[in-house]
Parts: sequence; structure tokens; C-alpha cells
Amino acid sequence: QKEVEQDPGPLSVPEGAIVSLNCTYSNSAFQYFMWYRQYSRKGPELLMYTYSSGNKEDGRFTAQVDKSSKYISLFIRDSQPSDSATYLCAMSESGGYQKVTFGTGTKLQVIP
Amino acid sequence: DAGITQSPRYKITETGRQVTLMCHQTWSHSYMFWYRQDLGHGLRLIYYSAAADITDKGEVPDGYVVSRSKTENFPLTLESATRSQTSVYFCASSSSGGGYTFGSGTRLTVV
Repeated sequence: QKEVEQDPGPLSVPEGAIVSLNCTYSNSAFQYFMWYRQYSRKGPELLMYTYSSGNKEDGRFTAQVDKSSKYISLFIRDSQPSDSATYLCAMSESGGYQKVTFGTGTKLQVIP
Repeated sequence: DAGITQSPRYKITETGRQVTLMCHQTWSHSYMFWYRQDLGHGLRLIYYSAAADITDKGEVPDGYVVSRSKTENFPLTLESATRSQTSVYFCASSSSGGGYTFGSGTRLTVV
């Protein structure tokens, strides 16, 4: 079993929909949680960075962490075609230098 | 230009040849990383470096060599390329925390 599990998709939604992307994990020591967005033939770019449980909002994006369930989510409101990309979750045990474990990514397509 | 740059963007090499992928960052980040990305495996850490002259193995180091004589450069060398090393390679950097910044990647094909 992988430490981090992520549904590969693809996930297709109409423009304007609310998108929910999710990851589960098995390592209870993970405390830092990240979401990266990766466009085709580009490197991943950091979208959200959160510590411990709770919600964090940034514009149309909300990251949610439920450590009791070992489950994290990324919500995208009012999705746009420009949101079409692969979304990678990532997590680590500690701040400072940390070994980051990545999910395999969920491919999202937002249809105009 | 500020940022993290990788070169070349695309490379085709033959089995058994040595090839070096370059990575340069302009922020003076302490930490630098090399990942490979393959379908079904996601991002896997090859090597990382905490500072100049300090490097350590990641999850899949076999067949790769790194060096870091200067903070800003972190080259990755495939000593004798194999077809299984066909992949997309990403370099990343980080300060003491806050996530990674990735380069645009090098798409390597070993024939």
C-alpha cells in the first residue's frame, strides 16, 4: 500500500462547477500538506501549503485537512478551463527540510 | 532571470552513454532535489542536497550521481544510461520550509 493514495482520474467537469480533489494517507506523522498544480509538459507549481488540520482558503481554492481520517481535499470553486491540469497532493512530517511524499496526481479537465 | 532553470529541455541518448542534466537556481535556496516522474509512479526522489557539498540518496538513486560544488547548481549525471531511465526529470529547490519550486523539467529518452 502506498503512503499516499490519489485517484488518477481523469475528472471532467463543466465550467463553473465545484471540483473536489482528494488524497488519503497512512502515515499519521504527516503534519504539513500541500497541493501542486501541473500543466502539461510543465513542472509542478505550489498551490496551497497547510499545517495540521483545518481549512485554508486562497481565492477560488480551499484546502481542507482531516488528520483524524487521514484525508485531505482541495476544492476549486467556479472552475475555469484554465484550471485543467494535473493536481498533486504532497505531505511531510516536519517543517524545515522535510522529505515530501507526493501522490500520483489527479488529472482534471474543465469543459467550457 | 530569477528562478530555477533546467537544461536541456529534451535529450535523446543511447544506452550506455553518460549524460548530465543541469539545474541552476538563483534564490540561493539551501535545499535542492532531483525527481523523476513516470506514469503510475508519480514523483520519485532520486537525490537531494541540503547545502553545497552535502548530498544524500533518495528513493531511487541507483545509476545516478550528483554533485553540488556551488549552492546554485545541482547537476544530475546518468553514468551509463539505460532504457529504464527514460523519464521526465525535475529539479526543485526549497528554502528552510514552505514547499518546493520546480523547474520545467528535462524529458530524457534513452534508445
